Amino acid sequence: DQQVKQNSPSLSVQEGRISILNCDYTNSMFDYFLWYKKYPAEGPTFLISISSIKDKNEDGRFTVFLNKSAKHLSLHIVPSQPGDSAVYFCAATYSGGGADGLTFGKGTHLIIQP
Amino acid sequence: SQTIHQWPATLVQPVGSPLSLECTVEGTSNPNLYWYRQAAGRGLQLLFYSVGIGQISSEVPQNLSASRPQDRQFILSSKKLLLSDSGFYLCAWSPMDTQYFGPGTRLTVL
Repeated sequence: DQQVKQNSPSLSVQEGRISILNCDYTNSMFDYFLWYKKYPAEGPTFLISISSIKDKNEDGRFTVFLNKSAKHLSLHIVPSQPGDSAVYFCAATYSGGGADGLTFGKGTHLIIQP
Repeated sequence: SQTIHQWPATLVQPVGSPLSLECTVEGTSNPNLYWYRQAAGRGLQLLFYSVGIGQISSEVPQNLSASRPQDRQFILSSKKLLLSDSGFYLCAWSPMDTQYFGPGTRLTVL
Protein backbone atom coordinates (compact mmCIF):
# COMPACT_ATOMS: atom_id res chain seq x y z
CA ASP A 1 0.00 0.00 0.00
CA GLN A 2 1.69 3.15 -1.19
CA GLN A 3 0.97 5.96 1.24
CA VAL A 4 2.77 8.65 -0.74
CA LYS A 5 2.21 8.74 -4.48
CA GLN A 6 3.87 10.68 -7.22
CA ASN A 7 1.86 9.73 -10.26
CA SER A 8 4.07 11.36 -12.87
CA PRO A 9 7.29 9.39 -13.37
CA SER A 10 8.66 12.19 -15.52
CA LEU A 11 7.97 15.79 -16.46
CA SER A 12 9.51 17.91 -19.19
CA VAL A 13 9.47 21.71 -18.85
CA GLN A 14 11.02 24.45 -20.88
CA GLU A 15 13.72 26.56 -19.25
CA GLY A 16 12.27 29.70 -17.70
CA ARG A 17 8.79 28.25 -17.30
CA ILE A 18 7.14 26.97 -14.15
CA SER A 19 7.64 23.35 -13.10
CA ILE A 20 4.84 21.85 -11.02
CA LEU A 21 5.45 18.54 -9.32
CA ASN A 22 2.56 16.81 -7.63
CA CYS A 23 2.25 14.44 -4.71
CA ASP A 24 -0.72 12.72 -3.06
CA TYR A 25 -0.86 10.94 0.26
CA THR A 26 -3.38 8.63 1.84
CA ASN A 27 -2.39 8.57 5.52
CA SER A 28 -4.25 11.32 7.36
CA MET A 29 -1.77 11.05 10.24
CA PHE A 30 0.97 12.64 8.13
CA ASP A 31 1.45 16.25 9.16
CA TYR A 32 4.91 17.15 7.89
CA PHE A 33 5.91 17.01 4.27
CA LEU A 34 9.23 17.40 2.52
CA TRP A 35 10.63 17.62 -0.97
CA TYR A 36 14.03 16.25 -1.89
CA LYS A 37 16.04 16.62 -5.07
CA LYS A 38 18.29 13.82 -6.22
CA TYR A 39 20.95 13.64 -8.89
CA PRO A 40 22.08 10.23 -10.17
CA ALA A 41 24.46 8.39 -7.84
CA GLU A 42 24.09 11.02 -5.12
CA GLY A 43 22.12 11.21 -1.91
CA PRO A 44 18.89 13.23 -1.89
CA THR A 45 19.22 16.88 -0.97
CA PHE A 46 16.58 18.47 1.21
CA LEU A 47 14.77 21.28 -0.64
CA ILE A 48 11.79 22.52 1.29
CA SER A 49 9.23 21.33 3.81
CA ILE A 50 5.79 22.27 5.05
CA SER A 51 3.88 21.60 8.20
CA SER A 52 0.18 20.83 8.09
CA ILE A 53 -0.58 24.03 9.96
CA LYS A 54 0.39 25.92 6.82
CA ASP A 55 -0.85 25.76 3.26
CA LYS A 56 2.14 27.37 1.61
CA ASN A 57 5.86 27.67 2.17
CA GLU A 58 8.25 29.58 -0.02
CA ASP A 59 12.02 29.52 -0.37
CA GLY A 60 13.46 31.41 -3.29
CA ARG A 61 12.36 29.78 -6.53
CA PHE A 62 10.69 26.91 -4.66
CA THR A 63 7.18 26.99 -3.25
CA VAL A 64 5.32 24.09 -1.72
CA PHE A 65 1.53 24.12 -1.48
CA LEU A 66 -0.46 21.83 0.79
CA ASN A 67 -4.13 21.00 0.38
CA LYS A 68 -5.01 18.93 3.42
CA SER A 69 -8.60 18.23 2.46
CA ALA A 70 -7.44 16.76 -0.84
CA LYS A 71 -4.35 15.17 0.73
CA HIS A 72 -2.31 16.75 -2.00
CA LEU A 73 0.83 18.79 -2.14
CA SER A 74 2.76 20.34 -4.98
CA LEU A 75 6.17 21.83 -5.55
CA HIS A 76 6.44 24.84 -7.84
CA ILE A 77 9.77 25.87 -9.30
CA VAL A 78 9.82 29.29 -10.93
CA PRO A 79 11.65 29.97 -13.15
CA SER A 80 12.94 26.53 -14.05
CA GLN A 81 16.66 26.29 -14.71
CA PRO A 82 18.78 23.56 -16.36
CA GLY A 83 20.32 22.64 -12.99
CA ASP A 84 16.85 21.76 -11.76
CA SER A 85 16.89 18.63 -13.91
CA ALA A 86 16.85 15.83 -11.34
CA VAL A 87 14.54 13.36 -9.66
CA TYR A 88 12.28 14.95 -7.07
CA PHE A 89 10.96 12.94 -4.15
CA CYS A 90 8.01 13.85 -2.02
CA ALA A 91 8.14 12.55 1.57
CA ALA A 92 5.84 12.58 4.57
CA THR A 93 6.03 11.86 8.26
CA TYR A 94 4.38 12.51 11.61
CA SER A 95 6.05 15.48 13.21
CA GLY A 96 7.08 14.81 16.76
CA GLY A 97 6.28 11.19 16.24
CA GLY A 98 9.69 10.05 17.32
CA ALA A 99 12.34 8.66 15.04
CA ASP A 100 10.11 7.09 12.43
CA GLY A 101 11.57 7.38 8.98
CA LEU A 102 10.10 9.32 6.13
CA THR A 103 7.69 7.71 3.71
CA PHE A 104 8.76 8.53 0.18
CA GLY A 105 6.99 8.62 -3.14
CA LYS A 106 8.66 6.94 -6.12
CA GLY A 107 9.90 10.22 -7.50
CA THR A 108 9.35 12.39 -10.56
CA HIS A 109 12.14 12.90 -13.05
CA LEU A 110 12.11 16.57 -14.02
CA ILE A 111 13.78 17.45 -17.30
CA ILE A 112 14.37 21.10 -18.06
CA GLN A 113 14.67 21.69 -21.78
CA PRO A 114 16.68 24.65 -23.13
CA SER B 1 28.36 22.07 10.62
CA GLN B 2 27.16 18.52 10.34
CA THR B 3 28.42 16.13 7.70
CA ILE B 4 27.52 12.55 6.93
CA HIS B 5 29.85 10.05 5.29
CA GLN B 6 29.24 6.72 3.68
CA TRP B 7 31.66 4.16 2.36
CA PRO B 8 32.36 2.54 0.14
CA ALA B 9 30.87 4.61 -2.66
CA THR B 10 30.47 1.58 -4.92
CA LEU B 11 30.66 -2.13 -4.26
CA VAL B 12 30.35 -5.21 -6.43
CA GLN B 13 29.85 -8.43 -4.50
CA PRO B 14 29.06 -12.03 -5.47
CA VAL B 15 25.86 -13.69 -4.31
CA GLY B 16 26.34 -15.31 -0.93
CA SER B 17 29.15 -13.02 0.20
CA PRO B 18 28.92 -10.86 3.35
CA LEU B 19 28.30 -7.13 3.37
CA SER B 20 29.28 -4.25 5.58
CA LEU B 21 28.40 -0.65 4.76
CA GLU B 22 29.41 2.11 7.10
CA CYS B 23 27.90 5.48 7.85
CA THR B 24 29.29 8.13 10.17
CA VAL B 25 28.00 11.54 11.16
CA GLU B 26 30.12 14.46 12.31
CA GLY B 27 29.21 17.65 14.08
CA THR B 28 26.27 16.41 16.11
CA SER B 29 25.58 14.10 18.99
CA ASN B 30 22.88 11.51 19.55
CA PRO B 31 21.33 11.86 16.09
CA ASN B 32 18.56 9.62 14.82
CA LEU B 33 20.10 7.50 12.07
CA TYR B 34 18.47 5.74 9.14
CA TRP B 35 19.26 3.29 6.36
CA TYR B 36 17.26 3.51 3.14
CA ARG B 37 17.48 1.59 -0.10
CA GLN B 38 16.58 2.84 -3.54
CA ALA B 39 16.05 -0.05 -5.91
CA ALA B 40 15.85 0.50 -9.66
CA GLY B 41 12.57 2.16 -10.62
CA ARG B 42 11.41 2.44 -7.05
CA GLY B 43 11.33 5.10 -4.39
CA LEU B 44 13.30 5.22 -1.19
CA GLN B 45 12.48 2.41 1.19
CA LEU B 46 13.28 2.71 4.88
CA LEU B 47 15.20 -0.33 6.11
CA PHE B 48 16.32 0.50 9.66
CA TYR B 49 16.38 3.39 12.07
CA SER B 50 18.16 3.99 15.34
CA VAL B 51 17.53 6.46 18.14
CA GLY B 52 20.66 5.58 20.09
CA ILE B 53 23.60 3.25 20.60
CA GLY B 54 22.52 -0.36 20.33
CA GLN B 55 18.90 0.60 19.51
CA ILE B 56 17.78 -0.62 16.10
CA SER B 57 14.29 -0.77 14.63
CA SER B 58 13.64 -2.71 11.45
CA GLU B 59 10.97 -1.64 9.01
CA VAL B 60 11.16 -4.41 6.45
CA PRO B 61 11.97 -8.08 7.02
CA GLN B 62 14.97 -9.07 4.94
CA ASN B 63 18.39 -10.67 5.15
CA LEU B 64 20.01 -7.38 6.14
CA SER B 65 20.83 -6.21 9.65
CA ALA B 66 21.99 -2.96 11.19
CA SER B 67 24.07 -2.04 14.18
CA ARG B 68 25.01 1.15 15.97
CA PRO B 69 28.17 0.47 17.93
CA GLN B 70 28.90 4.16 18.53
CA ASP B 71 26.77 7.27 18.80
CA ARG B 72 27.61 8.53 15.32
CA GLN B 73 28.24 5.27 13.52
CA PHE B 74 25.64 3.17 11.76
CA ILE B 75 26.48 -0.08 9.99
CA LEU B 76 24.44 -2.09 7.52
CA SER B 77 25.36 -5.76 7.21
CA SER B 78 24.45 -9.01 5.64
CA LYS B 79 25.83 -12.50 6.16
CA LYS B 80 24.88 -13.68 2.67
CA LEU B 81 23.93 -11.30 -0.11
CA LEU B 82 21.10 -12.02 -2.52
CA LEU B 83 20.73 -10.71 -6.06
CA SER B 84 17.73 -8.69 -4.86
CA ASP B 85 19.98 -6.79 -2.43
CA SER B 86 21.37 -4.78 -5.33
CA GLY B 87 20.51 -1.11 -5.08
CA PHE B 88 21.55 2.30 -3.89
CA TYR B 89 21.91 2.44 -0.10
CA LEU B 90 21.50 5.73 1.67
CA CYS B 91 22.23 6.67 5.24
CA ALA B 92 20.49 9.66 6.76
CA TRP B 93 20.58 11.53 10.02
CA SER B 94 17.94 13.64 11.65
CA PRO B 95 17.93 16.21 14.42
CA MET B 96 14.14 16.52 14.32
CA ASP B 97 11.76 15.80 11.43
CA THR B 98 13.94 16.71 8.46
CA GLN B 99 16.44 14.08 7.39
CA TYR B 100 19.77 14.74 5.72
CA PHE B 101 21.28 12.13 3.48
CA GLY B 102 24.76 10.86 2.84
CA PRO B 103 26.21 10.38 -0.64
CA GLY B 104 25.07 6.76 -0.89
CA THR B 105 26.64 3.40 -1.75
CA ARG B 106 25.89 1.68 -5.05
CA LEU B 107 25.78 -2.06 -4.38
CA THR B 108 25.72 -4.53 -7.24
CA VAL B 109 25.29 -8.20 -6.39
CA LEU B 110 26.30 -10.55 -9.21
